[in-house]
Amino acid sequence: GENVEQHPSTLSVQEGDSAVIKCTYSDSASNYFPWYKQELGKGPQLIIDIRSNVGEKKDQRIAVTLNKTAKHFSLHITETQPEDSAVYFCAPRGFGNEKLTFGTGTRLTIIP
Amino acid sequence: GAVVSQHPSRVICKSGTSVKIECRSLDFQATTMFWYRQFPKQSLMLMATSNEGSKATYEQGVEKDKFLINHASLTLSTLTVTSAHPEDSSFYICSARGGNRETNYGYTFGSGTRLTVV
Repeated sequence: GENVEQHPSTLSVQEGDSAVIKCTYSDSASNYFPWYKQELGKGPQLIIDIRSNVGEKKDQRIAVTLNKTAKHFSLHITETQPEDSAVYFCAPRGFGNEKLTFGTGTRLTIIP
Repeated sequence: GAVVSQHPSRVICKSGTSVKIECRSLDFQATTMFWYRQFPKQSLMLMATSNEGSKATYEQGVEKDKFLINHASLTLSTLTVTSAHPEDSSFYICSARGGNRETNYGYTFGSGTRLTVV
């Protein structure tokens, strides 16, 4: 099965600064790369995703970059705000199946 | 947008009893539904995948006789934890995949169910 790792596991950032979380996966045939935000006691919410034919995608303060050769993709959050504090998961999907494999998670704390 | 409703949000049950959790896609037809389990401060672990009208496919190590999944319609899947024990206490989350080309047949997650077995 797919092995997925995230780094760092915890990240504290001053409000207004940028945060970057990296996700490394093992299945070279993976073709869908989403990032989810999970707040305490709730289910994950999709914040941005990218497909294998695109290298970068941006949505306001959030961006995702994909390096298929190196098998990693990253979440970039700019101008961080206190409400960005949460746990973030990457969940790449392998080719030919519908299953998402969740990464180990990153707890992001924005310091006011 | 796509909405998935999961009930109950919290449940406490006695050891040995069974608990049913419902997952409904409210505004789209879900071709596939997924059930996850999440322990505190850990990631989501996939338990099983279900398609409407067919038997669920369980991940390795998940007891199918203990975690019964019924995907009776394109908008409803249920997970029943049978003969629950304290070690079954966890956060259970469902996800539904469906929609249309506009939504890229994306994955929408329910809000989760906190199960406590006493």
